[in-house]
Amino acid sequence: EDKVVQSPLSLVVHEGDTVTLNCSYEVTNFRSLLWYKQEKKAPTFLFMLTSSGIEKKSGRLSSILDKKELFSILNITATQTGDSAVYLCACSMGAQKLVFGQGTRLTINP
Amino acid sequence: DARVTQTPRDKVTEMGQEVTMRCQPILGHNTVFWYRQTMMQGLELLAYFRNRAPLDDSGMPKDRFSAEMPDATLATLKIQPSEPRDSAVYFCASGLMSLTATSTDTQYFGPGTRLTVL
Repeated sequence: EDKVVQSPLSLVVHEGDTVTLNCSYEVTNFRSLLWYKQEKKAPTFLFMLTSSGIEKKSGRLSSILDKKELFSILNITATQTGDSAVYLCACSMGAQKLVFGQGTRLTINP
Repeated sequence: DARVTQTPRDKVTEMGQEVTMRCQPILGHNTVFWYRQTMMQGLELLAYFRNRAPLDDSGMPKDRFSAEMPDATLATLKIQPSEPRDSAVYFCASGLMSLTATSTDTQYFGPGTRLTVL
């Protein structure tokens, strides 16, 4: 069965801290791994990763994929209260279906 | 700024009633997905269409759910009859998908329809 597992499920930190969110996967016909941020409503796209070892970066967020060990991490440096959200990891498979992990709920306290 | 739109945004109905949710994908996108999100199950894929043809609806309870794409600008998800366990947020997402190019795997989500069945 295709599976995407995120950890931790919940994380509370202080503003300014650096956080690392984890995503491991076991899926058939892996194509790519995607990270989304979900605040009040719809998930919004952050990154798509297809190649191992190549870091993708956007401002204070960065992500990397390890296709040998089947995991990805999402780093957020100098966190702000606006980073509070649920972060979702998903794998795209052969038919371009996305299988989502259960999400990590990140809370940034001022 | 192209976006996926969904209507209604909120729906409260009574058990046994028919519910229809609508989605307008981003113009030019060839693939439309329907997801359901609950606290317990997270985001689950219900069905998806490519070029308006249904590709996979294995995530959907077939006895009461149906999904259609009558034209390229409209996708519908219908529940008849609705039950309290159908209460969830239903998301539509669209993408411009190519089986040969992973760069097209990104899906863009609509704002969702929050369904409450009493």
